[in-house]
Amino acid sequence: AQSVTQLDSQVPVFEEAPVELRCNYSSSVSVYLFWYVQYPNQGLQLLLKYLSGSTLVKGINGFEAEFNKSQTSFHLRKPSVHISDTAEYFCAVSVPNTGFQKLVFGTGTRLLVSP
Amino acid sequence: DTGVSQDPRHKITKRGQNVTFRCDPISEHNRLYWYRQTLGQGPEFLTYFQNEAQLEKSRLLSDRFSAERPKGSFSTLEIQRTEQGDSAMYLCASSPGLVGGYTFGSGTRLTVV
Repeated sequence: AQSVTQLDSQVPVFEEAPVELRCNYSSSVSVYLFWYVQYPNQGLQLLLKYLSGSTLVKGINGFEAEFNKSQTSFHLRKPSVHISDTAEYFCAVSVPNTGFQKLVFGTGTRLLVSP
Repeated sequence: DTGVSQDPRHKITKRGQNVTFRCDPISEHNRLYWYRQTLGQGPEFLTYFQNEAQLEKSRLLSDRFSAERPKGSFSTLEIQRTEQGDSAMYLCASSPGLVGGYTFGSGTRLTVV
C-alpha cells in the first residue's frame, strides 16, 4: 500500500519570501505524484504532477516541485509567495497500471502568508 | 467545459435521516470518483465509476452508503440512517483517462446533528 507524509501541518511565511512544503511518500512500486491546492470551502485544484521524465516539474501560479526517487520526496516550492497563496496544500500519489487512478493523499499543509 | 458540479453545497440533517448528493462530471469524462474529507485530513477514496459501472469500492463505504451513475452521466451518493461520524466534505471528481489527475468539484459539506 502507498502512503504520503506531510510533516508540516502549518507553514507561516511572509509575503514575497520563498517557501518549501515537504512531501514524502512510501511505496514498493513506482508512483505518479501530484500536488493539489484547496482554498476555503472549495474543492481541490491540481497544481502540478509528475508522471515521468524530468524530475523538476513546473505548475500553475509559479509553483514547482522536484521528484527525488532516492529520498522518496516530492517537495513543493515557490520562490516568492503572495497573500493569495494562503490555502491548504495536499500531496498525493497514485500507482500506474492498476486499472483505475486512485489517489492517496497526505494530511495537508496549511500555508499562511502574512504581509 | 463547465467543470464538475456538486449539489447541494451544504446539507444539515438530523441523525437517522437519509441524504442524497449529486455530482455532474465534465461531460467528456467517463471516469468518476467520490472522496470523503474530514476536518484536518486529506481526502479519502470512496468509490470509482467507469461509465455506468461501479468498479471499485473502499471499505470506508459501509452498507449505509450507495452510489450510482445511471447512463454514465451524473452520479448520486446516498447515505442512509446518517450518523454524526458521517459529517464531512464529500468530493466528486472526474477524469478522461487513467493518468494525469482529476478535476474536483467544490464538494458537498454534510453536517449531521
